[in-house]
Amino acid sequence: NFMLTQPHSVSESPGKTVTISCTRSSGSIVSNYVQWHQQRPGSAPTTVIYEDNQRPSGVPDRFSGSIDTSSNSASLTISGLKTEDEADYYCQSYDSNNQIFGGGTKLTVL
Amino acid sequence: QVTLRESGPALVKPTQTLTLTCTFSGFSLSTSGMSVSWIRQPPGKALEWLARINWNYNKYYNTSLKARLTISEDTSENQVILTMTNMDPVDTATYFCARVRGSSYVFDSWGQGTLVTVSS
Repeated sequence: NFMLTQPHSVSESPGKTVTISCTRSSGSIVSNYVQWHQQRPGSAPTTVIYEDNQRPSGVPDRFSGSIDTSSNSASLTISGLKTEDEADYYCQSYDSNNQIFGGGTKLTVL
Repeated sequence: QVTLRESGPALVKPTQTLTLTCTFSGFSLSTSGMSVSWIRQPPGKALEWLARINWNYNKYYNTSLKARLTISEDTSENQVILTMTNMDPVDTATYFCARVRGSSYVFDSWGQGTLVTVSS
């Protein structure tokens, strides 16, 4: 199995744009779709991006996902940051029949 | 509306077997492409996928925990059950179930989770 590596934490000011990376350790990032899950403190995760760059209904278009083959990584970009975006964000992919989560990134909006 | 709810004991002793139930509504596990996964999260730590049961009742497990896990379903009750044997304090975590759909394994609905503490 491969691993997904995320930065431990990022911080940015309200109204700004932040990007969270997710690097796949082996195999191509385009081999399997990547999802992104948001987890606010004390709550269950919710999916904000699926299939690399698709937004579930109800997720604002401030959230976007992308893939960079040169760095073998996926990214979650949140524009127009709001204080409500402060949360942990997890990337997730799969390999054969296993689901693999990244270690999570704590986003602080200050 | 799709809902999932986890239930089970809040406290188990070391070496005991944990049984958790995911009761769902708003979909049928028999529908092609549907599956239910179990995921856990130790306090302050990351999410960890545990197991999945598919619409055709195939079962898949986290390779590092496979020997201790069993996933099953009760179609008549719309439930998916997870058992984990030989519980240890390191298994203390919030356990979530989630609906997963399609061949790209989209997690589109999550339960609220249930906290299980392993302590004597």
